[in-house]
Amino acid sequence: DVKVTQSSRYLVKRTGEKVFLECVQDMDHENMFWYRQDPGLGLRLIYFSYDVKMKEKGDIPEGYSVSREKKERFSLILESASTNQTSMYLCASSRPPGAQHFGDGTRLSIL
Amino acid sequence: GQQLNQSPQSMFIQEGEDVSMNCTSSSIFNTWLWYKQEPGEGPVLLIALYKAGELTSNGRLTAQFGITRKDSFLNISASIPSDVGIYFCAGQPSSNTDKLIFGTGTRLQVFP
Repeated sequence: DVKVTQSSRYLVKRTGEKVFLECVQDMDHENMFWYRQDPGLGLRLIYFSYDVKMKEKGDIPEGYSVSREKKERFSLILESASTNQTSMYLCASSRPPGAQHFGDGTRLSIL
Repeated sequence: GQQLNQSPQSMFIQEGEDVSMNCTSSSIFNTWLWYKQEPGEGPVLLIALYKAGELTSNGRLTAQFGITRKDSFLNISASIPSDVGIYFCAGQPSSNTDKLIFGTGTRLQVFP
């Protein structure tokens, strides 16, 4: 079974803090993705990566950056957290052209 | 971003009933996927479809990749209380990208 592990299930941070969300997959997948999920807005793609050190902007990259130094790990960085970044964050991985497999999510609250 | 049209938005059914939901798109897809998400959890892949006309089952779940490549449906037979959750379809629009377009979700509630 594919395992996508997100480092925290729940996280509370303050406005202006730099926030790191970590994601690790154990299936040697080339692709990794970061989404946020908000009620009424569905799943929105923030960034994705198709190889180590490669990244591509998704639909809502503003206020976020990513890092992929190793194939199994994809980090999402909130450079200066704001209250409108309070959300459920989901990481996924896939081997092209296969299905994406998701982690359990990180519920992030910015106070 | 683009979202797929998924219907119905919600369903309230009795245990033992069959359930049917579908997704439609104005453009063709190479892949159709069905996920289930329970509260506070990430989406879990139920069924993946890779060919037009393909019909695939996973236990009580059956999904089909529409022949026009613009739609897909998911059936759940003999529903049970643990089927409760939100069901999402997702489609891959072309072979040039691994990005997915997601449906708006169908919220399923099963009463004993």
